[in-house]
Parts: sequence; structure tokens; C-alpha cells
Amino acid sequence: AQSVAQPEDQVNVAEGNPLTVKCTYSVSGNPYLFWYVQYPNRGLQFLLKYITGDNLVKGSYGFEAEFNKSQTSFHLKKPSALVSDSALYFCAVRGSILTGGGNKLTFGTGTQLKVEL
Amino acid sequence: DVKVTQSSRYLVKRTGEKVFLECVQDMDHENMFWYRQDPGLGLRLIYFSYDVKMKEKGDIPEGYSVSREKKERFSLILESASTNQTSMYLCASSGGEGARIYEQYFGPGTRLTVT
Repeated sequence: AQSVAQPEDQVNVAEGNPLTVKCTYSVSGNPYLFWYVQYPNRGLQFLLKYITGDNLVKGSYGFEAEFNKSQTSFHLKKPSALVSDSALYFCAVRGSILTGGGNKLTFGTGTQLKVEL
Repeated sequence: DVKVTQSSRYLVKRTGEKVFLECVQDMDHENMFWYRQDPGLGLRLIYFSYDVKMKEKGDIPEGYSVSREKKERFSLILESASTNQTSMYLCASSGGEGARIYEQYFGPGTRLTVT
């Protein structure tokens, strides 16, 4: 079965510094990978996805993610963090088409990002 | 923009009550989903539906049922609420062509407390 792991419950970064939120995955077949963000008291919002093509994908709010097949990772990055980036970030992987779950997503446990002045 | 609305932001119910959580989307999406979100556990899929009157169990369906009589509406039902169902419930929808079908749009959530 497919799964994603987010090894860090919380990441603390100073404003202006680069940030990385880690995600590793386990799937059978080609991975479809996603990042979502949840700002305080708001629903989840789609940030970006990797389906195929360039290993570096760009998304909303200046975020990007790097797909690394050999390390089975899909880390979220931003060159310069803002206080307003503070939120809960979820990595997700598409379900297996083989078991009829192709439209489902399996989410990680989430990483709380805190950006401080 | 896709809009997914949920009937309540906060709900307090007593143990044993029947609870209905309603979700409506306005983008004619085929797929709709119900998740619960708990600290440290992330989002867990309860049920999903890929068409009217069609439903499939997710990872944690026990104690829940769903109804989808119209394409835009997906209801989650707790037949007899229990305290361990106190949680944040999130509804989502997805649809469209190609890879867009995997982008899910979420409602604001319903925080349910069962006392």
C-alpha cells in the first residue's frame, strides 16, 4: 500500500532563511505526489504536485518541491521564509490504480512550520 | 474558484445522538471525500464517493456512513455518536481532466465535540 512519511513534527526557521519540509514516500508504480498547506483556522489548500517531468516543481506562494526517485523523497522548499508561511504542511501520495484507489490521496501526519522574526 | 462548504464550523453533540455533517461543492466534481483530522495522525479517509449514489470505504469507516443523492452534496452520518469521534471533519472534492482530478479542494472543516 502507498504511504508517505513526514519525519519532523515541527520545523523552526528564521524569517529570510531557506526552509525545507521533508517527505518520503512508498508506492508501487509511478508516484503522484502533492503538498497541501493548512493555515490557522482554515481548510487545506493545494500547493503543488509532481506527476511527471522536471524533478523540481514550482507551486503557490513561492514554494517548490524536489522529486528524488533514488531517495524516494519529495521535500518542500522555499528560498526565503516569511512569518506568514507559518502553517501546517501535509505531503500526500495518490492511491494505487491497481486497487481502484486512483483518485484517493494518502496524507502524511503533517509538519508544523514556524517562521520567527 | 472551487467552493466547498460545510454546514457547521462547530458542533457539540451528546453520546448516542445521530449526527449529520453536510458538504456541498459548486464545481460539478465527480469525486467527494470525508476525512477526519487528529493531531499527530494527519488526515485519515473515512469514505469517498466517485459518483452519485456510489460510495467506497476509506481507511476508518467504522461508526460512519455516507449519502450522496445529488452530485453536489455528500453527507457524513454518525449513527450513534461516541466520544472517540470528537475530531475535526474535513470534506473535499476533486474532478476535471487529466492530472487535475488529483487536486482536492477542501471545505473549512467542522469541529465536532461529542460529550
